[in-house]
Amino acid sequence: DAKTTQPTSMDCAEGRAANLPCNHSTISGNEYVYWYRQIHSQGPQYIIHGLKNNETNEMASLIITEDRKSSTLILPHATLRDTAVYYCIVITAAGNKLTFGGGTRVLVKP
Amino acid sequence: ETGVTQSPTHLIKTRGQQVTLRCSSQSGHNTVSWYQQALGQGPQFIFQYYREEENGRGNFPPRFSGLQFPNYSSELNVNALELDDSALYLCASSFEAANTGELFFGEGSRLTVL
Repeated sequence: DAKTTQPTSMDCAEGRAANLPCNHSTISGNEYVYWYRQIHSQGPQYIIHGLKNNETNEMASLIITEDRKSSTLILPHATLRDTAVYYCIVITAAGNKLTFGGGTRVLVKP
Repeated sequence: ETGVTQSPTHLIKTRGQQVTLRCSSQSGHNTVSWYQQALGQGPQFIFQYYREEENGRGNFPPRFSGLQFPNYSSELNVNALELDDSALYLCASSFEAANTGELFFGEGSRLTVL
């Protein structure tokens, strides 16, 4: 599975959009981009995934660049409960494991 | 709430002992994966069980072993515990073994080895 690179940490103001970047320059054509988050002392939680089109659900939006070498997770209106470590993961459709990197530690401030 | 339950939530062992951690998967899921998360690190894949058979293993020694039962619940066993085994052990279930990008994680079992 392709390697991903994310900023170590970022702050966000409550009520504002949080834009979390992820670089996956070695991604293959059959690999999906998945996002998870882990709130302190809890198990990771699935957020969203995509292949090449932009995706949106009730939690977030995922923007994937046309060359698929990077993506951005957007939390449209960050709340204090969105404070967590966010992981960007690349996996094939047939993959049977998630490879977590260090993630981005997001702190939402009042 | 993911419907994945793990027990115990916390436990303390000493070096050389053995431990068994348990996981009940979400209803309808036939695949269970186990992950180890050391403090300050991302989770690391230990192995996956699909329909009672091991279906992939990460870079963990043989003293890490597992079982999956006919009801798809699972156990993780660790023998000859070492101090570095102190970690949060996460269980995740999914509907099938492949295309397992969307996993449902439990809250984890926190193991401390003294």
